[in-house]
Amino acid sequence: GAVVSQHPSRVICKSGTSVKIECRSLDFQATTMFWYRQFPKQSLMLMATSNEGSKATYEQGVEKDKFLINHASLTLSTLTVTSAHPEDSSFYICSATGENYGYTFGSGTRLTVV
Amino acid sequence: EDKVVQSPLSLVVHEGDTVTLNCSYEVTNFRSLLWYKQEKKAPTFLFMLTSSGIEKKSGRLSSILDKKELFSILNITATQTGDSAVYLCAVAPPTGTASKLTFGTGTRLQVTL
Repeated sequence: GAVVSQHPSRVICKSGTSVKIECRSLDFQATTMFWYRQFPKQSLMLMATSNEGSKATYEQGVEKDKFLINHASLTLSTLTVTSAHPEDSSFYICSATGENYGYTFGSGTRLTVV
Repeated sequence: EDKVVQSPLSLVVHEGDTVTLNCSYEVTNFRSLLWYKQEKKAPTFLFMLTSSGIEKKSGRLSSILDKKELFSILNITATQTGDSAVYLCAVAPPTGTASKLTFGTGTRLQVTL
């Protein structure tokens, strides 16, 4: 079955620093990857959609300069939280979809900014 | 604006009970409806429903879609404590569009002994 690996699973960083989260499709080519954010006891909130080789499409209210998304290959997308602040602390989840493959989620990254 | 609404928001049942979770949707473009189970980490896939009236089953879980009334239900029979989780419903548009899922708020299920 389709497997999506997300790394790191947990990260703590200092306020003002940047954090990169990786999302890899291990056994299929992910033409589209999605990045979500989830606050405690809330549903997934889509941040952006990225297609391989093109710029990400951000949802309304999501700052593209703060949440940098790169989808340079069919198996890898990265989300970089720049100049992180405590309010960026959250659970970030990626999802990938490709031809003949449905929506598969990564295991998520819990970011804590101190 | 696309909308997916789940009910109830939360539910507490005793082990062995049967539960029915509801998901209704109003979306511009519909291809399929998906159910996920989320425990402490990322959601795990349960079902994808594309056609009306065809029940999908997996062990004690089953789900069905009504495209006329725009809703789906997820049934869990003989619940166990391991079924405690948040159950998410999402709607997928046809391929060729942005293909992003629209999620409901989820139903938090707690199964007690």
